[in-house]
Amino acid sequence: IQMTQSPSTLSASVGDRVIITCRASETIDRWLAWYQQKPGKAPKLLIRQASTLMTGVPSRFSGSGSGKQFTLTISSLQPDDFATYYCQQYRTYWTFGQGTKVEIK
Amino acid sequence: EVQLVESGGGLVQPGGSLRLSCAASGLIFSNYAMSWVRQAPGKGLEWVSAISGGGGSTYYADSVKGRFTISRDTSRNTLYLEMTSLRADDTAIYYCAKDLDYSPGDAFDVWGQGTLVTVSS
Repeated sequence: IQMTQSPSTLSASVGDRVIITCRASETIDRWLAWYQQKPGKAPKLLIRQASTLMTGVPSRFSGSGSGKQFTLTISSLQPDDFATYYCQQYRTYWTFGQGTKVEIK
Repeated sequence: EVQLVESGGGLVQPGGSLRLSCAASGLIFSNYAMSWVRQAPGKGLEWVSAISGGGGSTYYADSVKGRFTISRDTSRNTLYLEMTSLRADDTAIYYCAKDLDYSPGDAFDVWGQGTLVTVSS
């Protein structure tokens, strides 16, 4: 299963609403997770089952979608949110999207 | 607090072998499936291999099948990745990651800090 994220890079300002899209090459129901990775650090799990926020993750993060099309939304971008975000399917083994770098505009 | 600490990375020549370890603490190790995920320099994440909580089921990405072997020692709370016939494109940071379930098939909620493997002559 191939995962395609868009955009690859996103320039945004603090306070902006940010939307990242992830598309699967075949249906994965809701077997989708989102991770945040900062330079030199391991990925951090933000969301699983497409929309379930992990404990401790700020409520400005939300996920939606099912089947083949998914989105990660950051409602109001904060300075700590500048990072690279990856989607991951776990319906059949595990496959990651290529990543979306959120950078300062 | 659950912690995963990888070790064993380093510089190895093409065709060589290396064994990575991942020491786990703060959890009942045998209750959870574990995986190895790698990240080539400046690139994205690639799942490499997974093992069930009991160690009886293992899974591999096509890119490493037949060359890498995943295993775990419950008595030592340690996960391993034996890598043979290493190639330049195996160069990456290797992370161990904890699955949310006993059987592999969920997201990864805890990650180690990673260990760098460089394959070069």
